[in-house]
Amino acid sequence: DAGVIQSPRHEVTEMGQEVTLRCKPISGHNSLFWYRQTMMRGLELLIYFNNNVPIDDSGMPEDRFSAKMPNASFSTLKIQPSEPRDSAVYFCASTLDGGNEQFFGPGTRLTVL
Amino acid sequence: DAKTTQPPSMDCAEGRAANLPCNHSTISGNEYVYWYRQIHSQGPQYIIHGLKNNETNEMASLIITEDRKSSTLILPHATLRDTAVYYCIVRVWGNNNNDMRFGAGTRLTVKP
Repeated sequence: DAGVIQSPRHEVTEMGQEVTLRCKPISGHNSLFWYRQTMMRGLELLIYFNNNVPIDDSGMPEDRFSAKMPNASFSTLKIQPSEPRDSAVYFCASTLDGGNEQFFGPGTRLTVL
Repeated sequence: DAKTTQPPSMDCAEGRAANLPCNHSTISGNEYVYWYRQIHSQGPQYIIHGLKNNETNEMASLIITEDRKSSTLILPHATLRDTAVYYCIVRVWGNNNNDMRFGAGTRLTVKP
């Protein structure tokens, strides 16, 4: 298995632009998570999907952030409009219900100028 | 989920055992202890988990005290590639929320 796949690996954009991050979970996994990691705040859970349904989005910082999971093999995290404080590494992870381990992707390093 | 306390950093000599402590004094009876690590520029990686018995796998051993208020992750023969941030997390196994709270972790540096 290729593991969790994220794209792009690096993204540099200007303030005010729309940013879309993509994630393909491990085949057969039915839970998907988006995390954000910064030096100041560490690793934070943004949103969690189970069977393609958003279960907990309490970590989404504000309305500029949105996430979708149209099917079991694809999810997006969108920021519109982006701001410099959104600069971070965004990780996607997947697991099987009740699984002991979450499998993390390589992350997307986002820089908003 | 219960809060954990870990030292911010530790050093270990290559080839020696690395013992990483974690305090979780408010752990509940149904909460497990999980360990993950994050090597620079990579996503976190699961290492091991346990409830109350000591556990061992190909990566590490987990020692949990009898009162379950603390635990130690042991890397028996540390290599340079084990340099990473190690996170101790307590959570309910199979919790439908299935979310984990990563603290600051311990930055382990393995030195030649």
